[in-house]
Amino acid sequence: AQSVAQPEDQVNVAEGNPLTVKCTYSVSGNPYLFWYVQYPNRGLQFLLKYITGDNLVKGSYGFEAEFNKSQTSFHLKKPSALVSDSALYFCAVRDTGFQKLVFGTGTRLLVSP
Amino acid sequence: SAVISQKPSRDICQRGTSLTIQCQVDSQVTMMFWYRQQPGQSLTLIATANQGSEATYESGFVIDKFPISRPNLTFSTLTVSNMSPEDSSIYLCSVEGIGGSYEQYFGPGTRLTVT
Repeated sequence: AQSVAQPEDQVNVAEGNPLTVKCTYSVSGNPYLFWYVQYPNRGLQFLLKYITGDNLVKGSYGFEAEFNKSQTSFHLKKPSALVSDSALYFCAVRDTGFQKLVFGTGTRLLVSP
Repeated sequence: SAVISQKPSRDICQRGTSLTIQCQVDSQVTMMFWYRQQPGQSLTLIATANQGSEATYESGFVIDKFPISRPNLTFSTLTVSNMSPEDSSIYLCSVEGIGGSYEQYFGPGTRLTVT
């Protein structure tokens, strides 16, 4: 079965510093990977995806993610964090053969001024 | 991307009652998905709803508890039946992007509190 793991419940970073939110995956076949962000009292917003092609994918709000097949990782990154980036971030994988998404446990990002 | 709306946005219900949540999409889609997000937890798929056929439920979810309707290609409802406090969650519907883009787009969610 497809799965993703987010090893950190919370990541703290100072504004202006680079941020990384970690995600590792376990899939049979080629992985379809996604990052979503959830702001308080709001639904999930799609940030970016990896389907095929370049290992570095760029998404919304200046976020990017690096797909690493040998390490089975898909870490979310941003060169310079903003206080407004503080939110809950979910990594997800699309189940092969079905269209459902399987989500990680989420990582809370706190960016301090 | 699809624009998805849900009604109600939140509700407080008494145990033993039922609540029907509506999901409306601004474009025609084949499949719609219903997820549950329990407090402080991740999202779990409840069921997948195809227009014109019975919904497909994930392990741990049954039709008697979470009946789903899918009358057309832009609308679906999820009913939470005979509610208990353990049903207090955010319920979200989603659809996949147009043209096989694989990502899913989510509605704003319905925050349900059962007392």
